[in-house]
Amino acid sequence: GNSVTQMEGPVTLSEEAFLTINCTYTATGYPSLFWYVQYPGEGLQLLLKATKADDKGSNKGFEATYRKETTSFHLEKGSVQVSDSAVYFCALSDQGNTPLVFGKGTRLSVIA
Amino acid sequence: EPEVTQTPSHQVTQMGQEVILRCVPISNHLYFYWYRQILGQKVEFLVSFYNNEISEKSEIFDDQFSVERPDGSNFTLKIRSTKLEDSAMYFCASSVEGGTEAFFGQGTRLTVV
Repeated sequence: GNSVTQMEGPVTLSEEAFLTINCTYTATGYPSLFWYVQYPGEGLQLLLKATKADDKGSNKGFEATYRKETTSFHLEKGSVQVSDSAVYFCALSDQGNTPLVFGKGTRLSVIA
Repeated sequence: EPEVTQTPSHQVTQMGQEVILRCVPISNHLYFYWYRQILGQKVEFLVSFYNNEISEKSEIFDDQFSVERPDGSNFTLKIRSTKLEDSAMYFCASSVEGGTEAFFGQGTRLTVV
């Protein structure tokens, strides 16, 4: 079945540091890929997505590129802020309206 | 901006009691979902619902769970006889027909004591 593997957390960075959170997936076919973010005490928010190979999703300074050859969708940000402290979830969906499969989440803490 | 709303935000219940978690999906969405997140663990799919019936469910969604769309706006998850291990954050989500992106509510934290 489909699965998503994320790097283990927690990740602690200083403000303005470069962030990478690794995500790889296993899927039959060509899934859509997502990063969701969960800020403390809040629900899941879609951060960015990519629906086909080589697509780059971006939002709020975060980027991730859909790499079919390495089955990866790593999340990057060039300069993190304290307000980016949250749990980040990588997820995939096979096709329209099929359930999301989530990774275990990576907790990011950014310190000033 | 339209959003998925869930009530209550936190519910405490005694083991063996029935609970109903409520959700109002985004109004033009046709697919509805429940997910749960046990503390510190990953988000897991429970069930999806379309056209007034379950379209898909996971192994977690056993006979103690049921879903319903009692009217044109609400979507509910009922847990018939709660167990300690049902303690989790429950998320409702919705999507348009053919959409891959799901919009999530803020979640209901269920604590079974």
